[in-house]
Amino acid sequence: DAMVIQNPRYQVTQFGKPVTLSCSQTLNHNVMYWYQQKSSQAPKLLFHYYDKDFNNEADTPDNFQSRRPNTSFCFLDIRSPGLGDAAMYLCATSRDPGGEQFFGPGTRLTVL
Amino acid sequence: DAKTTQPTSMDCAEGRAANLPCNHSTISGNEYVYWYRQIHSQGPQYIIHGLKNNETNEMASLIITEDRKSSTLILPHATLRDTAVYYCIVQVTGTASKLTFGTGTRLQVTL
Repeated sequence: DAMVIQNPRYQVTQFGKPVTLSCSQTLNHNVMYWYQQKSSQAPKLLFHYYDKDFNNEADTPDNFQSRRPNTSFCFLDIRSPGLGDAAMYLCATSRDPGGEQFFGPGTRLTVL
Repeated sequence: DAKTTQPTSMDCAEGRAANLPCNHSTISGNEYVYWYRQIHSQGPQYIIHGLKNNETNEMASLIITEDRKSSTLILPHATLRDTAVYYCIVQVTGTASKLTFGTGTRLQVTL
């Protein structure tokens, strides 16, 4: 089945130690999104790629960056994780902007 | 800020219809109403969307009022697996589009 895959499902890192989260898709969708979801809160969009065009949300901290080397893969890099960055990170895709989004299962990040 | 208002929580008996309301009184003419749900510890799942006409698919029905200021998501025969947080989101299509999640409604389906 076509799907959105996130690895790893659980990630533990140390305060200040860079970490990379991975997302891949077999849907061949043009748009890939990264959301942050903290405990008991709604998902919050960090940024998205429309093909190779990167779109950053205005309030996304500089500590968060993303790479999309090809259509299938997208990475979330957290340069210096703080305790406040502990959250579920959700990757999603859509065929076109504004279309139905397909979400992965998420990566739960713990910062020690 | 989210442009929708939903009740914080609702209960529904299994087998009965679950009617989840959403107010979006400031909706613009080019904004669609989308519904997603999030089952505990999973990513959100698309349910249905509409512009001004009522819509139905295999999961649910969406009823949008004529003035488009509110809508209702209907799960015709709720099951325990429908227990989730349901998000109503207004969204433009096109390159400016993004999902802005509000607080959602926590639906608890009980025996």
